[in-house]
Amino acid sequence: ETGVTQTPRHLVMGMTNKKSLKCEQHLGHNAMYWYKQSAKKPLELMFVYNFKEQTENNSVPSRFSPECPNSSHLFLHLHTLQPEDSALYLCASSQVKMGLAGGLADTQYFGPGTRLTVL
Amino acid sequence: DAKTTQPTSMDCAEGRAANLPCNHSTISGNEYVYWYRQIHSQGPQYIIHGLKNNETNEMASLIITEDRKSSTLILPHATLRDTAVYYCIVRVGGGADGLTFGKGTHLIIQP
Repeated sequence: ETGVTQTPRHLVMGMTNKKSLKCEQHLGHNAMYWYKQSAKKPLELMFVYNFKEQTENNSVPSRFSPECPNSSHLFLHLHTLQPEDSALYLCASSQVKMGLAGGLADTQYFGPGTRLTVL
Repeated sequence: DAKTTQPTSMDCAEGRAANLPCNHSTISGNEYVYWYRQIHSQGPQYIIHGLKNNETNEMASLIITEDRKSSTLILPHATLRDTAVYYCIVRVGGGADGLTFGKGTHLIIQP
């Protein structure tokens, strides 16, 4: 258990459906992230929220819509997805802080992921 | 963030130490070395990180060369459950930046 939970763990949806993925962190962190991992590909960053403000959108199509109502919860709203959007969607959180030598140190903790299949 | 180079795959016998190398020759002075692992279809698991000193925790040890251009993750007594893809990531961190994952090293622990 990493302190980051994701629901549902598995989701099958049609291309015309609307669904939402939920992430909750119990670590008191102030930043949350969505990543996507397609089959046999490295993880790709999708979105970053820092203090509930979206600070990064990594050229993600508009059919993916994130929402961060507070620092503990993160949603990914899905609509009119394509079969190629089938992937493992991972949520992570971290605490932004200053570290040693003037640099910055943080650790991102990941949830178990949601396995999404788009038919 | 600096680029890292890792072997594609490695084997290790159960009970032996697994030593996973990582090259990061372009690392800058304020970049940390992080290690994560991902067991099949699960979320990545944080293992350890360091700046310039060697680090040890309950999972592993991290050895960073003096010039910081390479590092080695050591799992002291590998078990079958350590079979996973191990990722070495170099980043400044702390600024709510995403992690850049490469292909990592697929470590296979043999019984």
